[in-house]
Amino acid sequence: AQSVTQPDIHITVSEGASLELRCNYSYGATPYLFWYVQSPGQGLQLLLKYFSGDTLVQGIKGFEAEFKRSQSSFNLRKPSVHWSDAAEYFCAVTNTGTASKLTFGTGTRLQVTL
Amino acid sequence: DTAVSQTPKYLVTQMGNDKSIKCEQNLGHDTMYWYKQDSKKFLKIMFSYNNKELIINETVPNRFSPKSPDKAHLNLHINSLELGDSAVYFCASSQRGDEYFGPGTRLTVT
Repeated sequence: AQSVTQPDIHITVSEGASLELRCNYSYGATPYLFWYVQSPGQGLQLLLKYFSGDTLVQGIKGFEAEFKRSQSSFNLRKPSVHWSDAAEYFCAVTNTGTASKLTFGTGTRLQVTL
Repeated sequence: DTAVSQTPKYLVTQMGNDKSIKCEQNLGHDTMYWYKQDSKKFLKIMFSYNNKELIINETVPNRFSPKSPDKAHLNLHINSLELGDSAVYFCASSQRGDEYFGPGTRLTVT
């Protein structure tokens, strides 16, 4: 069964500092991996995804993530955080095929201090 | 143009009542889902439909009954609401692995 672990429940960074959010997955085959962001009271917005190919994936809002098969990781990074990045971040993995479903990690809450 | 829309956005009701949440997508996707987000923000799939056919039912109580009248709609009906049903319910649709989420419906059962 597929699973996702986000080891950090809560992270605080200063505005302008770099950010890395960790994500580890468990899946038998090549995974489809995603990062979503959820601002307070809002729905989920897709930041980026990895299906295949280049293991460094660029997303919206200046985010990127790197797929490392050897470490079963898909960490999210941003070189310089803005106060508006404060939100909940979810890593997710999906299987392929008709019965595909997203399995989410427990989320990491990002707080940005000015 | 909203890709995935849900109504209502907020729903407050008493225990024992029956309520429905509607979802529509205008993306032309074949697959639609319902997810539940609990008070700890944990997201878990409930159902998925592909071309109006139920594909995934993740051990959800049978008080929850999804209905897909056509490929663009997936509604969720809940009978005999319980306190533990309070959560945010998200509808989503997907094609080839890309999932798009609706804004969510916050259900509060009192």
